Amino acid sequence: GESVGLHLPTLSVQEGDNSIINCAYSNSASDYFIWYKQESGKGPQFIIDIRSNMDKRQGQRVTVLLNKTVKHLSLQIAATQPGDSAVYFCAENGAGGTSYGKLTFGQGTILTVHP
Amino acid sequence: EAGVAQSPRYKIIEKRQSVAFWCNPISGHATLYWYQQILGQGPKLLIQFQNNGVVDDSQLPKDRFSAERLKGVDSTLKIQPAKLEDSAVYLCASSKRQGPGANVLTFGAGSRLTVL
Repeated sequence: GESVGLHLPTLSVQEGDNSIINCAYSNSASDYFIWYKQESGKGPQFIIDIRSNMDKRQGQRVTVLLNKTVKHLSLQIAATQPGDSAVYFCAENGAGGTSYGKLTFGQGTILTVHP
Repeated sequence: EAGVAQSPRYKIIEKRQSVAFWCNPISGHATLYWYQQILGQGPKLLIQFQNNGVVDDSQLPKDRFSAERLKGVDSTLKIQPAKLEDSAVYLCASSKRQGPGANVLTFGAGSRLTVL
């Protein structure tokens, strides 16, 4: 199962640097893996997803990498900006067509971007 | 388009009292979800509706939690009686798409519950 608690992993970077946020997932049968961003006082916001048969997907300033061998997912943010400061969650939707939308979220990582 | 509306934003109650949260999803979104987010954790799914029918409530503590989505639009989540461990943010989300696109959820800002 997942480890839980108040002490989330944290990542602190300077504005303009590239950020890499990591996530270990548990269900090797999951069909999709998704990244969400949650700013203080707001609900999570979809960033990007990747299907289990892919190992890389790029979006605008973001890249998601999937390593199924070690059950590892990462989110790379290029040229990080202060507006990227938030908690980032990885999520998986399990296996099968009825599981879409029923997401299992990880613990989250706090990203702080310093100007 | 307007986002997912939730109310109240904050609620403080004593244990054993009851509370209700309301959600209005994005217009046209057939699927609605309630997630519970305890401080320091990721959201946890409580219940999923498709139109006005329950699709999955396997993680809803049915001895104290109930939810409904009358007429397939607004939804309410009720807790009665509340316990200390119910202190959390209750997030409502909706999705228009089917298939993998259903993973793109639009969340509301949440209702923060504190049980004393």
